[in-house]
Amino acid sequence: GNSVTQMEGPVTLSEEAFLTINCTYTATGYPSLFWYVQYPGEGLQLLLKATKADDKGSNKGFEATYRKETTSFHLEKGSVQVSDSAVYFCALRKPGSARQLTFGSGTQLTVLP
Amino acid sequence: SAVISQKPSRDICQRGTSLTIQCQVDSQVTMMFWYRQQPGQSLTLIATANQGSEATYESGFVIDKFPISRPNLTFSTLTVSNMSPEDSSIYLCSVETGVQNYGYTFGSGTRLTVV
Repeated sequence: GNSVTQMEGPVTLSEEAFLTINCTYTATGYPSLFWYVQYPGEGLQLLLKATKADDKGSNKGFEATYRKETTSFHLEKGSVQVSDSAVYFCALRKPGSARQLTFGSGTQLTVLP
Repeated sequence: SAVISQKPSRDICQRGTSLTIQCQVDSQVTMMFWYRQQPGQSLTLIATANQGSEATYESGFVIDKFPISRPNLTFSTLTVSNMSPEDSSIYLCSVETGVQNYGYTFGSGTRLTVV
């Protein structure tokens, strides 16, 4: 079946540090891949997405590249800010009629000033 | 993208009672999804609701416990029935939006505490 494996957290970084949150997936065909962010006390917001191999999604300084050969979609940011503190979820939607998202376990990020 | 109004935002309920959560979308959508997020956990799909047909439930979720209504293309409800403390979670609805530039929009969630 489809699954998403996400880097275990929590992750604590100092402001301006480089961030990588690893995400790998298992799916048949070419799923669409997403990163969602959940700020404290808020709902889920789409951070970025990629729909085909080698696509790069980017938003708010975050980037992730769809790597079919390694079945990965790692999230990166060159310089994190305190305001980036949140829980980050990697998710996939497999091709076909079942259109729901499958989520990874989430990674709690805390950025210290 | 679509905007979802979900309510209530939170509730504290007695065990054995039921709570109905509502989601209103500002545009017509074919599918609506209901998720559960247990404390400190990821999101798990409960069911997919299509207008005019019965919801499709995922393994581990049954209609008697989580009845869903989908009376039209902009509205859905999820009821959590005969609640126990183990049902304490955040419940979220979601819709798929867009065609070529699609994504998924989520409601703000209902934080349920069962005492």
